[in-house]
Amino acid sequence: QSVLTQPPSVSGTPGQRVTISCTGTSSNIGAGYDVHWYQQLPRTAPKLLIYTFNNRPSGVPDRFSGSKSDTSASLVITGLQGEDEADYYCQSYDRSLSGWVFGGGTKLTVL
Amino acid sequence: DVVLLQSGGGLVQPGGSLRLSCAASGFTFSNYAMNWVRQAPGKGLEWVSSISGGGDATYYADSVKGRFTFSRDNSQSMVYLQMISLTVEDTAVYYCAKTSALYQLLSPFDSWGQGSLVTVSS
Repeated sequence: QSVLTQPPSVSGTPGQRVTISCTGTSSNIGAGYDVHWYQQLPRTAPKLLIYTFNNRPSGVPDRFSGSKSDTSASLVITGLQGEDEADYYCQSYDRSLSGWVFGGGTKLTVL
Repeated sequence: DVVLLQSGGGLVQPGGSLRLSCAASGFTFSNYAMNWVRQAPGKGLEWVSSISGGGDATYYADSVKGRFTFSRDNSQSMVYLQMISLTVEDTAVYYCAKTSALYQLLSPFDSWGQGSLVTVSS
């Protein structure tokens, strides 16, 4: 059971908009700690996708964006493309655990 | 370019030990905290440990505390994860990862190694 809760799977058709939620608690997201998002393509290492709620590293398309509200965060992908099919993980810091925590991951399928 | 090149995975029996290494290049190594993250087969990401840039502060997940030791050699731009008393639950791909912000432990992981498979089985 992950400290941060994500839906196991989401799907969409090319061009659609999809949202992946990440629900935490008052010990992590609700305590004001940043939320980061990672994309993991099959059989590869994770890649930083969004950091500190809604910042994109160089090279990440602006189709990817993030937001935060109270104890949760969301990753939004617009203009869905086949290459976006991957697993997505949220990450934050938990002060009760004194360490990083990840969501359980969400598998995005492009239909 | 930042490169993190891992080595040291393999098959080990329950109760055994193993050391993972991660060689870093392309950045001023001692200025950045480093991390280990693992992923059990078919499962999600789990943070394992973090170490400050100077190596004077280390942090561990409860699941590995007392069994794993994270260290670094800034003169060689290397980090190590020494693992003892391994159990089948430690079977996973282990990734080393660089923290993005100068001198800050609490910043995202912007570069990752290729992963090292550790299999604990009799």
